[in-house]
Amino acid sequence: EAGVTQSPTHLIKTRGQQATLRCSPISGHTSVYWYQQALGLGLQFLLWYDEGEERNRGNFPPRFSGRQFPNYSSELNVNALELEDSALYLCASRAISGIAAGELFFGEGSRLTVL
Amino acid sequence: GQQLNQSPQSMFIQEGEDVSMNCTSSSIFNTWLWYKQDPGEGPVLLIALYKAGELTSNGRLTAQFGITRKDSFLNISASIPSDVGIYFCAGRLMNSGGYQKVTFGIGTKLQVIP
Repeated sequence: EAGVTQSPTHLIKTRGQQATLRCSPISGHTSVYWYQQALGLGLQFLLWYDEGEERNRGNFPPRFSGRQFPNYSSELNVNALELEDSALYLCASRAISGIAAGELFFGEGSRLTVL
Repeated sequence: GQQLNQSPQSMFIQEGEDVSMNCTSSSIFNTWLWYKQDPGEGPVLLIALYKAGELTSNGRLTAQFGITRKDSFLNISASIPSDVGIYFCAGRLMNSGGYQKVTFGIGTKLQVIP
């Protein structure tokens, strides 16, 4: 069974540009979570999507947005990039049944560098 | 954003030594989780704890859910070089609307000296 997949692996942008990151959850998982992992700051919750709807968002400005598609894959968009947006962006999907029901399974992340 | 207090933030140990790390919070949680993140990869779930007082093992790893529901610890026995990585604790709280809020600690960076 394929795990959570994210693309691109690395992305370099300049200030003011826009970045789009993509995530495919584990087959059968309908919830997708996005986290930002900046150096030394642990994992900061960004967004939660379930069944195509945004269910909750963390304490981030509106230029961080996203969506979930009918196949449950998700996209994270960051507009008007700032230097401090440089971070590893992690996507996780949530198991809804089985021994690990409710737990988050993470992808390998997309490393965004803003110059 | 909200953070758990995780300590230590980093540690160097000799191969074969035991390791202990812990997390504390001012809030209670329904579930405590421990993840490991290898360099360049996403976090991988190691242990999940669902009941206050629960003690769970996964190979050389042992974790406990504190009785107050505000803390948890992770022990690694007889460390080996592949234990190197960043260990995150996470607390989960489900609200009445079914939304689960997962809060992560800042991580403990473990380095094992062969």
